[in-house]
Amino acid sequence: DSGVTQTPKHLITATGQRVTLRCSPRSGDLSVYWYQQSLDQGLQFLIQYYNGEERAKGNILERFSAQQFPDLHSELNLSSLELGDSALYFCASSRGPGTEAFFGQGTRLTVV
Amino acid sequence: AQTVTQSQPEMSVQEAETVTLSCTYDTSESDYYLFWYKQPPSRQMILVIRQEAYKQQNATENRFSVNFQKAAKSFSLKISDSQLGDAAMYFCAYWGGGYSSASKIIFGSGTRLSIRP
Repeated sequence: DSGVTQTPKHLITATGQRVTLRCSPRSGDLSVYWYQQSLDQGLQFLIQYYNGEERAKGNILERFSAQQFPDLHSELNLSSLELGDSALYFCASSRGPGTEAFFGQGTRLTVV
Repeated sequence: AQTVTQSQPEMSVQEAETVTLSCTYDTSESDYYLFWYKQPPSRQMILVIRQEAYKQQNATENRFSVNFQKAAKSFSLKISDSQLGDAAMYFCAYWGGGYSSASKIIFGSGTRLSIRP
């Protein structure tokens, strides 16, 4: 158990819908990262937060948004979902930049 | 921009043998960290080993060790006494830019390792 909790584990939704993925980082970790992994693909960086502030952004679609709350948990919002958004979405947390990131078990999103 | 390259999409090794997975990276930064992550069929991402660029000594974790060649920008992972449970996708990852920097962890495309019994 990495200590990073992601909910839900599985999500099936229809095209055009909106979903929210939740991440609780390890106790004491200030950095949260979101990654997308499509089937048999590598990890695509979406966005990073550090202590509530956005610190780095990847090729995150405009339909996607995220935030980190004062209690350090983070949410990734995906809207106007398309079939191609089906993927495993990982949250990872670390003490801060440069320290190893620990990953949650991921949320498997299926858009039908 | 920093890049991480894993040139071996697939590798196979006999159980109990040793295998080396290759990784190269490109960066102009002097302060950075390198990682190897393992992703078994469960798709959980598991940290295997971590290396700080300022340390010349290669990191070791039990049967896992790295060969860090800073000048060549190479960071290979050696798995000794391979076990069936080592079968997984292995990702090389890079983080750089200093503690206060806003930067992401960059992952390579992965190497799928299979173990032959």
